[in-house]
Amino acid sequence: ETGVTQSPTHLIKTRGQQVTLRCSSQSGHNTVSWYQQALGQGPQFIFQYYREEENGRGNFPPRFSGLQFPNYSSELNVNALELDDSALYLCASSAAGVGVGKNIQYFGAGTRLSVL
Amino acid sequence: AQRVTQPEKLLSVFKGAPVELKCNYSYSGSPELFWYVQYSRQRLQLLLRHISRESIKGFTADLNKGETSFHLKKPFAQEEDSAMYYCALSGNSGGSNYKLTFGKGTLLTVNP
Repeated sequence: ETGVTQSPTHLIKTRGQQVTLRCSSQSGHNTVSWYQQALGQGPQFIFQYYREEENGRGNFPPRFSGLQFPNYSSELNVNALELDDSALYLCASSAAGVGVGKNIQYFGAGTRLSVL
Repeated sequence: AQRVTQPEKLLSVFKGAPVELKCNYSYSGSPELFWYVQYSRQRLQLLLRHISRESIKGFTADLNKGETSFHLKKPFAQEEDSAMYYCALSGNSGGSNYKLTFGKGTLLTVNP
């Protein structure tokens, strides 16, 4: 069973640029959630995708957008980067439904984004 | 609104001592509570889920709805328990199913 993989592992961008982060979900999972983790903080929910549709959003501006593909992999796009966007971005996949093992989120190792 | 509070940023104990990591939550519905752990240079991983009511690596956590708490306990700490621990709450608010709201984490250090 393949776990959640994220790419790239590190990224450096300048203010105003755009960035795309990628996530491959764990085999058998149909839901992907994205989180932002600033230094010294817990992960903060950005949004969730289920069956290629956005399924809830946290308190993040529209310049944070995402996609989910038919194979359940996902992208997080951030436009007009700001210095405060510097953080670790985590992707988590889960299998929506009822029963043992459902709705447990499994995390990738993250992408460390630095905005200069 | 969902909120998770972990009052201790740092917790240091000696090997063999009992350990309790505190977690309090705020949620209007019926929440599901988790403990996630992050060992050095590893990814965030699930430690406990309250509905499972099981003990993992000697850790237990009981959901106390009256006190809105979900404290993590272990009677005898081991050096390998040193890690960052996050309490998290899952609910259906905001239209997203099972989004997680995390506390800020407690860094546990178990000294030899």
